[in-house]
Amino acid sequence: GDSVTQMEGPVTLSEEAFLTINCTYTATGYPSLFWYVQYPGEGLQLLLKATKADDKGSNKGFEATYRKETTSFHLEKGSVQVSDSAVYFCALSQGGSEKLVFGKGTKLTVNP
Amino acid sequence: DAGITQSPRHKVTETGTPVTLRCHQTENHRYMYWYRQDPGHGLRLIHYSYGVKDTDKGEVSDGYSVSRSKTEDFLLTLESATSSQTSVYFCAISYRQGDSGNTIYFGEGSWLTVV
Repeated sequence: GDSVTQMEGPVTLSEEAFLTINCTYTATGYPSLFWYVQYPGEGLQLLLKATKADDKGSNKGFEATYRKETTSFHLEKGSVQVSDSAVYFCALSQGGSEKLVFGKGTKLTVNP
Repeated sequence: DAGITQSPRHKVTETGTPVTLRCHQTENHRYMYWYRQDPGHGLRLIHYSYGVKDTDKGEVSDGYSVSRSKTEDFLLTLESATSSQTSVYFCAISYRQGDSGNTIYFGEGSWLTVV
């Protein structure tokens, strides 16, 4: 079945550092790809998405490019802030039911 | 804001008791989902619904049942709660925005502890 693998955390960075969180997927067909963010004690918020190969999703300084040839959707940000500290989930969906399949999440801590 | 309300938000219950979690939406979305979140597992799909009285199982459906008697409400029931069902439960809806395809939006979660 479909699956998502993302880099294990936790990841700890200093403010203004460059962030990459790796995500690869296995799927039949052509899934849509997502990054969700979860701040402490809260639900999941959609961060960005891409629906076809070579699409770039972006939001709040975060970016991810749908790479079909490497089945990847890596999350990047050029300069992280303390407020970016959260858990980040990579996910895919496809088919009429649009069910999401999640990676296990990567916890990011950004220190001042 | 996808107009999703979960209740209760926090509950402590005893092993063997029945528990029902409610998800309410206000925008007439067809697809609704229940996920559970556990450390080391991410989020896993329990059940989902694609219309009134139309439901199907997800990845971790054992021990759970659902009902959807009207579009706006999707109920998740633990018939006899066990400690392994201590988790955070998230309801979600699928929402189409323009030409960008469907996106799933989540409620704020229900924290369930089974003692």
